[in-house]
Amino acid sequence: RKEVEQDPGPFNVPEGATVAFNCTYSNSASQSFFWYRQDCRKEPKLLMSVYSSGNEDGRFTAQLNRASQYISLLIRDSKLSDSATYLCVVNMLTGANNLFFGTGTRLTVIP
Amino acid sequence: NAGVTQTPKFQVLKTGQSMTLQCAQDMNHEYMSWYRQDPGMGLRLIHYSVGAGITDQGEVPNGYNVSRSTTEDFPLRLLSAAPSQTSVYFCATSQGAGRDEQYFGPGTRLTVT
Repeated sequence: RKEVEQDPGPFNVPEGATVAFNCTYSNSASQSFFWYRQDCRKEPKLLMSVYSSGNEDGRFTAQLNRASQYISLLIRDSKLSDSATYLCVVNMLTGANNLFFGTGTRLTVIP
Repeated sequence: NAGVTQTPKFQVLKTGQSMTLQCAQDMNHEYMSWYRQDPGMGLRLIHYSVGAGITDQGEVPNGYNVSRSTTEDFPLRLLSAAPSQTSVYFCATSQGAGRDEQYFGPGTRLTVT
């Protein structure tokens, strides 16, 4: 079983739509959770951290469900510029080598 | 303030050749790491360093060496390139290991023929 699993998509949604991605992780002792955004042929960049109480940043909402070991990312009012691959990243605290990346979910927002 | 820089951006090697991928940062971060990214797989950790003079292996270290003589530089050496090392390589830095935001360089696209 992979440490972090994501639906690879692709998700093709019209502008203005709401879209949600889920990610599951294997280690119940995981402590820190993140969503990164990666544009085509570019490096990943931090989109937002995910806190236990959930958090929101503009049109983006991240949730954590520790009991079911998954995190989610909700994007409201999708923009063309949201087209990218979204990486789920989990810090499993198994020493310094402790960051695990999902394969990414590809989102395309269509005009 | 350049952040994290990587050179070269692209490289084609023949099987058996060696080369060094360069990574430099001006963020004064202690933690640096090298990842490879392959289609259908998440980024996988090759080697990492928690400070100058200290390096350790990640998930996929075979065929690669690293050294960390300064805080700023963390080169990755391919000893004898193999087609299986065809990948996109990213260097990353952070304040600490894991809990903090990772800052990635722009990547090096390597093809081994």
